[in-house]
Amino acid sequence: QKEVEQDPGPLSVPEGAIVSLNCTYSNSAFQYFMWYRQYSRKGPELLMYTYSSGNKEDGRFTAQVDKSSKYISLFIRDSQPSDSATYLCAMRAMDTGRRALTFGSGTRLQVQP
Amino acid sequence: NAGVTQTPKFRVLKTGQSMTLLCAQDMNHEYMYWYRQDPGMGLRLIHYSVGEGTTAKGEVPDGYNVSRLKKQNFLLGLESAAPSQTSVYFCASKVGTGELFFGEGSRLTVL
Repeated sequence: QKEVEQDPGPLSVPEGAIVSLNCTYSNSAFQYFMWYRQYSRKGPELLMYTYSSGNKEDGRFTAQVDKSSKYISLFIRDSQPSDSATYLCAMRAMDTGRRALTFGSGTRLQVQP
Repeated sequence: NAGVTQTPKFRVLKTGQSMTLLCAQDMNHEYMYWYRQDPGMGLRLIHYSVGEGTTAKGEVPDGYNVSRLKKQNFLLGLESAAPSQTSVYFCASKVGTGELFFGEGSRLTVL
C-alpha cells in the first residue's frame, strides 16, 4: 500500500464549479502538507502549504488538513480553464527538512469553458 | 533568475547505453533531489544530496548514480540504460525547510 493515496482522475468540471481534490495517507508522523500544481510538460509548482491540522485560504484556493482522519483536501472555488492541470499532494514529517517530500500520484483536472 | 535548469530536455537511448542528466540551480540551495515521474506512480525519489560532496539513496535508486561535486550542480547517471528507465526525470532543490523548486523535466526514452 502506498503511503499517500490520491485519485488520479481525470476530473472534468464546467467553468465556475467548485472543485474538491483529496489525498489520504497512512504515516501519522506527517506534519507538513502541500499541494503542487503541474501544467502539462512542466515541473510542479507549490500552490499551498499547511502545517498540522486546520484550514488555510489563499484567494480561490482552500487547503484543509484532518490529521485524525489522515485526510487532506484542496478546494478550488470559481474554477477557471487556467486551473486545468495535475494537482499533486505532498507531505513530510517534522524534521530538519532535509528529507524529500512524499507525493501522491496526482489528480488531473480539466475545467471546461 | 533561471532557478533550476535541467539538460538535456529530451533524449532517446538504446538499451545498454549510458548517459548523464545535469541539474543546475542558481539559488544557492543546500538540498538537491532527483525524482522520476511515471503515469499512476507520482513522483518517486531516486537520490538526493544535502550538501556539496554528499549523496544519499532515495526510494528507487537501483540503476542510477549521482554526484554533487559543486554546490550548484547535481548529476544523475545511468550506467546501462534499460526500458524500465523510460520516464520523465525532475530535479528539485531547496534550502532548509523551505519550498521545493523543480526544473522543467527531462524526458528519457530507452528503446
